[in-house]
Amino acid sequence: QKEVEQDPGPLSVPEGAIVSLNCTYSNSAFQYFMWYRQYSRKGPELLMYTYSSGNKEDGRFTAQVDKSSKYISLFIRDSQPSDSATYLCAMSARYGGATNKLIFGTGTLLAVQP
Amino acid sequence: KAGVTQTPRYLIKTRGQQVTLSCSPISGHRSVSWYQQTPGQGLQFLFEYFSETQRNKGNFPGRFSGRQFSNSRSEMNVSTLELGDSALYLCASSLGGQAPEAFFGQGTRLTVV
Repeated sequence: QKEVEQDPGPLSVPEGAIVSLNCTYSNSAFQYFMWYRQYSRKGPELLMYTYSSGNKEDGRFTAQVDKSSKYISLFIRDSQPSDSATYLCAMSARYGGATNKLIFGTGTLLAVQP
Repeated sequence: KAGVTQTPRYLIKTRGQQVTLSCSPISGHRSVSWYQQTPGQGLQFLFEYFSETQRNKGNFPGRFSGRQFSNSRSEMNVSTLELGDSALYLCASSLGGQAPEAFFGQGTRLTVV
């Protein structure tokens, strides 16, 4: 079993829809949770980062972490064709800040249809 | 502020050869991590360097190695290349302290033939 599970999709939605992307994990030591967006032939771009449980909002993006369920989500409101990309969740267990090692989900391919 | 720069962007090598990839992190960042991305395995952690010292290593064979210089620039080397080493190699730059955010470069696309 992988430490981080993510539905690979593809997920196709019409423009303006609300998109929900999710990851589950098994390692209870994870404390930091990140979402990256990766366009084809590009490196991953950091969208949001959350520490421990709770919600964080940034424009059209909202990240949620539920550590009790080991479940994280990214919501995209008013989705745009430019949001079409692969979305990767990533997690880190920081033991005294000793490492920046990230464990990634496999990524969800999102297509927003105009 | 300049981002993470990886060179070269593309490489084609023959089985058995070795290759060196380079990464220049964001100015002021002291931590550099390397990842391998393949369609089948996704992004997998190779190793991390902080202040010229390797402080974490993933589950890759010893053919994969790296180093970091005093200016935080990093190189990774793969010796005795195999077809399965074909992948996108990504470098991530972090401050290295409590802030966990990692910023990626565009990657080096390595093809082994």
